[in-house]
Amino acid sequence: QVQLVESGGGVVQPGGSLRLSCAASGFTFSHYGMFWVRQAPGKGLEWVAAIWYHGNNIYYEDSVKGRFTISRDNPKNTMYLQMSSLRAEDTAVYYCARDRVAYGDSPGIFENWGQGTLVTVSS
Amino acid sequence: IQMTQSPSSLSASVGDRVTFTCRASQSIDSYLNWYQQKPGKAPKLLIYDASSLQTGVPSRFSGSGSGTDFTLTISGLQPEDFATYYCQQSYSTPWYTFGQGTKLESK
Repeated sequence: QVQLVESGGGVVQPGGSLRLSCAASGFTFSHYGMFWVRQAPGKGLEWVAAIWYHGNNIYYEDSVKGRFTISRDNPKNTMYLQMSSLRAEDTAVYYCARDRVAYGDSPGIFENWGQGTLVTVSS
Repeated sequence: IQMTQSPSSLSASVGDRVTFTCRASQSIDSYLNWYQQKPGKAPKLLIYDASSLQTGVPSRFSGSGSGTDFTLTISGLQPEDFATYYCQQSYSTPWYTFGQGTKLESK
């Protein structure tokens, strides 16, 4: 079955960096668009970044553009989120999610989710 | 595209029929998805493309709507359905946006 496992969260000071990983199994990773979605404590869901199945299309929510970098290593079945210049408002649980459709030209249905990893930005 | 859910919270009893509403700030055709989230857990896809039931989701869940107005209905509320429900548009790829959520509580 599809499994997504996030790791790499933790406590970091403002201005610091962190790299999140999302290890995928149970499906052909290279066939699916992937996403990062976050949820601040007690708040709603917010899409953060997207990467198409082939890795050639990458997009970011405006507040993280220039600070976060999404990437994927298809042979390793892993997606990453490199986060830098972290701010207090980046504090959230970060989920990775998989698109519903293989080879999607316009991915956007978050069919499978990991359990999330908590990032806390605090001095 | 702004997504607005109403109400922000809802009280109901087991067996009730419950309806959630989601409104988009512009037409999104049928590119509307619904998720259920329980405390401390990841969201779960319930409905995609406004009315398609995700595999494995009980048939008491149904979705309808197109354009700007959408509804999620639970027909015969079960104890495990108390959760927060989010809508999300996938029309404006990749600028996906979620509604603020509706929390379903036990009356």
